Amino acid sequence: AQRVTQPEKLLSVFKGAPVELKCNYSYSGSPELFWYVQYSRQRLQLLLRHISRESIKGFTADLNKGETSFHLKKPFAQEEDSAMYYCALGLYNQGGKLIFGQGTELSVKP
Amino acid sequence: NAGVTQTPKFQVLKTGQSMTLQCAQDMNHEYMSWYRQDPGMGLRLIHYSVGAGITDQGEVPNGYNVSRSTTEDFPLRLLSAAPSQTSVYFCASSSTGTGGLNQPQHFGDGTRLSIL
Repeated sequence: AQRVTQPEKLLSVFKGAPVELKCNYSYSGSPELFWYVQYSRQRLQLLLRHISRESIKGFTADLNKGETSFHLKKPFAQEEDSAMYYCALGLYNQGGKLIFGQGTELSVKP
Repeated sequence: NAGVTQTPKFQVLKTGQSMTLQCAQDMNHEYMSWYRQDPGMGLRLIHYSVGAGITDQGEVPNGYNVSRSTTEDFPLRLLSAAPSQTSVYFCASSSTGTGGLNQPQHFGDGTRLSIL
C-alpha cells in the first residue's frame, strides 16, 4: 500500500540552526515526491518537488530510493520558516492523485 | 486570476443536516480533488476527478458525494452530517501532466466545518 510517514509532529529549533524534516514513503511504483508548506493563515502551497532538483527559500530535498526517503533540509533556519510542512507522494500515471504524510510543524525560535 | 475558490469559509451544521461545499477553479485544470485535514492525520483524499463527468473515491469517501458536470466546478456534498465530519476541507486542482508525472496541486483557502 502507498504510504507517507513524517515521524515528527513538531520540530522546534533556534534561528540559524540546521533543520531536517524527515519523510519516508512506501510505494512499489515510480515515486514522485513533493513538499508542501502551509504558513499561518495561508493556503497550502508547493515548496519543491524532487524532479526539479531545485532549492526554494534555502530548502533542498533529495530523493533516496534506497532508503525510500525524501527529507527536507535547510542549513540555517529563519523565523519565517515557521509553518506546517507536508510531504506528499504522487502516484505514477494517476493524474494528480497525492498521498500526504501527517505533517510536521516547524517552529523556529528567535 | 482567482485560482481555486472555496465557499463557504466557515460553516456550522447540526447532525443530520446536509450541505454542499463549493469549489471552482479558473485554470482549466483537468484534475480536481477534495481533502480533509485533521490534527495528526495530515490531509486525506476524499474524492477526486480527472475530468468532467469522471469521479472516483479516495481514502475516506464515506458520507460524501461529488459530481463533476463542468471542468471548473467540483462540489462536495455531505449527505447527512455527523460530528466525525468536523474538519477543515481543502479543494485542489492541477493539470494532469504528461508521461505519467504529476503536476503541482493548487489549493483553495479551505472550509472550516463544525458539526454539532
